[in-house]
Amino acid sequence: AQSVSQHNHHVILSEAASLELGCNYSYGGTVNLFWYVQYPGQHLQLLLKYFSGDPLVKGIKGFEAEFIKSKFSFNLRKPSVQWSDTAEYFCAVNGGSQGNLIFGKGTKLSVKP
Amino acid sequence: NAGVTQTPKFQVLKTGQSMTLQCAQDMNHNSMYWYRQDPGMGLRLIYYSASEGTTDKGEVPNGYNVSRLNKREFSLRLESAAPSQTSVYFCASIPHGNQPQHFGDGTRLSIL
Repeated sequence: AQSVSQHNHHVILSEAASLELGCNYSYGGTVNLFWYVQYPGQHLQLLLKYFSGDPLVKGIKGFEAEFIKSKFSFNLRKPSVQWSDTAEYFCAVNGGSQGNLIFGKGTKLSVKP
Repeated sequence: NAGVTQTPKFQVLKTGQSMTLQCAQDMNHNSMYWYRQDPGMGLRLIYYSASEGTTDKGEVPNGYNVSRLNKREFSLRLESAAPSQTSVYFCASIPHGNQPQHFGDGTRLSIL
């Protein structure tokens, strides 16, 4: 069965610090990978996705993620965070044809101004 | 604004009461999903509908039923609400295949 692990439950950073959130998945076949963001009180929004091709994908708001197949990882990065990046971040994987997503448990990011 | 619309946004129920959560999308998407979100648990799939006329169980279907009324609408029913079903419920849809899911704003449900 597919599963997704997010290593950090809560990350606290100061503005301008660099961010890396870990995500590992378990699935033996071809996968599609996603990062979603949920701002306080809002619904999930897509940050970026990986289907195929260049393993370094760029998303909205300066976020990027790197797919490393050998490590089953899809870590999210941002060089310099802002207070407005305070949110919960979810990694998700889809290895089937039905579009069903398996989500990690999420990482809360708090950015201090 | 086009997208996924969920109603109601908030609801408080007593144990044993029944309720239907409504979800509609106006993007002509084929597949629709119901998730529940609980603190520290991420999102867990309750039921999904890959296409109009079909529904399937997800990871946590117990205590729930669904209806894919037509291509636009996918409702989630709690027949006899229990405190363990206190959660935030999200509906989502995709056009087909493995495209990114579009989420509604959620329904915050409390069961006393």
